[in-house]
Amino acid sequence: DTGVSQDPRHKITKRGQNVTFRCDPISEHNRLYWYRQTLGQGPEFLTYFQNEAQLEKSRLLSDRFSAERPKGSFSTLEIQRTEQGDSAMYLCASSLSTDGYTFGSGTRLTVV
Amino acid sequence: GQQLNQSPQSMFIQEGEDVSMNCTSSSIFNTWLWYKQEPGEGPVLLIALYKAGELTSNGRLTAQFGITRKDSFLNISASIPSDVGIYFCAVSSGNTPLVFGKGTRLSVIA
Repeated sequence: DTGVSQDPRHKITKRGQNVTFRCDPISEHNRLYWYRQTLGQGPEFLTYFQNEAQLEKSRLLSDRFSAERPKGSFSTLEIQRTEQGDSAMYLCASSLSTDGYTFGSGTRLTVV
Repeated sequence: GQQLNQSPQSMFIQEGEDVSMNCTSSSIFNTWLWYKQEPGEGPVLLIALYKAGELTSNGRLTAQFGITRKDSFLNISASIPSDVGIYFCAVSSGNTPLVFGKGTRLSVIA
């Protein structure tokens, strides 16, 4: 068990570009969550999957954001046409049902 | 928006002192969790509380789930430099995703 792995750890992109982040959860965990965290704030929920089904999406998840978990294992989060306001830490977590989540180290996105 | 109020927002303490922080909500939640986050890392689960009135310890950490299910506190005894970080409470009801507070930033002066 290597924990929750996120890639890349850091991403700098120009405004208007598309970016994609990957999350590999703990293998036996069926739930996978994406959160966003900005400076001075707690993590804010974006979306979550149970196996391959995307069960809930936050209002924060605009049309430019899309998340997938095609085989119920790893997940990707894509942001299209990035804006400066998208700059944040994107955190992935996994859990077995409703137990406490295990978070990855996050992907820090900077949009310039 | 955020439904949780954490206090204090930040605290500076001397090494060896005890620390107390709390988290309150205007709504009832069935699960209260405490996480710690260090710079550049994701939050790490410290203590999970599932039953109103429950008092749980994890080493020097003690947390309680309030009887009204609207609050929780976290105590750290005999603080050490590695306790530095941001402490978040998080809540859930049933299968809903966790909602996090804004955190309490702890600094320990050696």
